[in-house]
Amino acid sequence: EVQLVQSGAEVKKPGESLKISCKGSGYSFTNYWIGWVRQMPGKGLEWMGIIYPGDSDTRYSPSFQGQVTISADKSISTAYLQWSSLKASDTAIYYCARRQQPYNWFDPWGQGTLVTVSS
Amino acid sequence: SYELTQPLSVSVALGQTARITCEGNNIGSKNVHWYQQKPGQAPVLVIYRDTNRPSGIPERFSGSNSGNTATLTITRAQAGDEADYYCQVWDSSTGVFGGGTKLTVL
Repeated sequence: EVQLVQSGAEVKKPGESLKISCKGSGYSFTNYWIGWVRQMPGKGLEWMGIIYPGDSDTRYSPSFQGQVTISADKSISTAYLQWSSLKASDTAIYYCARRQQPYNWFDPWGQGTLVTVSS
Repeated sequence: SYELTQPLSVSVALGQTARITCEGNNIGSKNVHWYQQKPGQAPVLVIYRDTNRPSGIPERFSGSNSGNTATLTITRAQAGDEADYYCQVWDSSTGVFGGGTKLTVL
């Protein structure tokens, strides 16, 4: 079974750093792009960026470029999303999802990681 | 940047047909995918490449795409279909989601 399992919920203070993870299993992790999607409380889905674990080629949405860093460790089939200095506005659920080329749908999705940033 | 517009909400009577639209400039030239998201759950793919259903998705779910509008159609709507639905395309190496539509089954 193809599966993406994300790390658990986080509670952080503004200015702190954070790295959340997404571990793939049941398929060749290096052969599929992994995307990250933000969902702020009560809001819709926003595409953040994508990484190809095979060579770490990474693309960002202009809205998130410079705000987050996407990385991957193919040796442990895990992709990451990280912040160097969190803001309250980063409070959201973050999903990872596997991109299916060449038509670019996302399936499956991870279960989501809730990030709460509050002083 | 490319934009997708969905109605905020759609209501349908139990057992009737619901249609959720997704509008974008010449969207008919793109591949449109649809996701269902129930409260507290991750999104689930229900239609890919305009008209295709993943395994496990009921035949009641179908899609179409032409001109400036893509449509997700749910026939014989059930209470379990109540959810948020999002359309998605790929444009200029970027994923784009519609704003989402809340489907209410009355």
